[in-house]
Amino acid sequence: NAGVTQTPKFQVLKTGQSMTLQCAQDMNHNSMYWYRQDPGMGLRLIYYSASEGTTDKGEVPNGYNVSRLNKREFSLRLESAAPSQTSVYFCASSEILDGGNEQFFGPGTRLTVL
Amino acid sequence: QKEVEQNSGPLSVPEGAIASLNCTYSDRVSQSFFWYRQYSGKSPELIMSIYSNGDKEDGRFTAQLNKASQYVSLLIRDSQPSDSATYLCAVTWDFNKFYFGSGTKLNVKP
Repeated sequence: NAGVTQTPKFQVLKTGQSMTLQCAQDMNHNSMYWYRQDPGMGLRLIYYSASEGTTDKGEVPNGYNVSRLNKREFSLRLESAAPSQTSVYFCASSEILDGGNEQFFGPGTRLTVL
Repeated sequence: QKEVEQNSGPLSVPEGAIASLNCTYSDRVSQSFFWYRQYSGKSPELIMSIYSNGDKEDGRFTAQLNKASQYVSLLIRDSQPSDSATYLCAVTWDFNKFYFGSGTKLNVKP
């Protein structure tokens, strides 16, 4: 049981390049999320998917697109990377436990845009 | 604007002491509250969740929620050096939208 996995672990891009961050979970969770974490700013929600086939914007969606490929996989795409997108990106999935929605995080992707 | 506020710290406590971490939030209709621990360079790890007013205990950890005053706290009893990490408070207003504070760095000194 791997939990939430993310690829790649590290990536360096040049301004204007595109890339897709991959996320998969094997816990049969319905909801999945993408966050970015910048120093001193905590985690900010980019997009989320409450169930297979649905996606919604979070707090900071500009410059990103997502795809919920199936129940297991949720990808994040940067079409034209900018230095402001340098960050650590975390994927998460959640399960309803004890009446609440509890999230579990992947190991993260460290992205640098030059 | 939904806001979750935490003191960035660092909070320094001696080994064996009680560490008290606090979090305030801006919206009275918030639903669920979470504490995550994050070691440097690692992903957040859920340590406590609390959904109703009062205290919830799990081992050395106690979460306290006061919705009228809009704060949630985390107490760590018998603090250990291995508890040294950044602690993130998270709140949901919409069931799927999580808002995180910027975290409080805790240092437990041997």
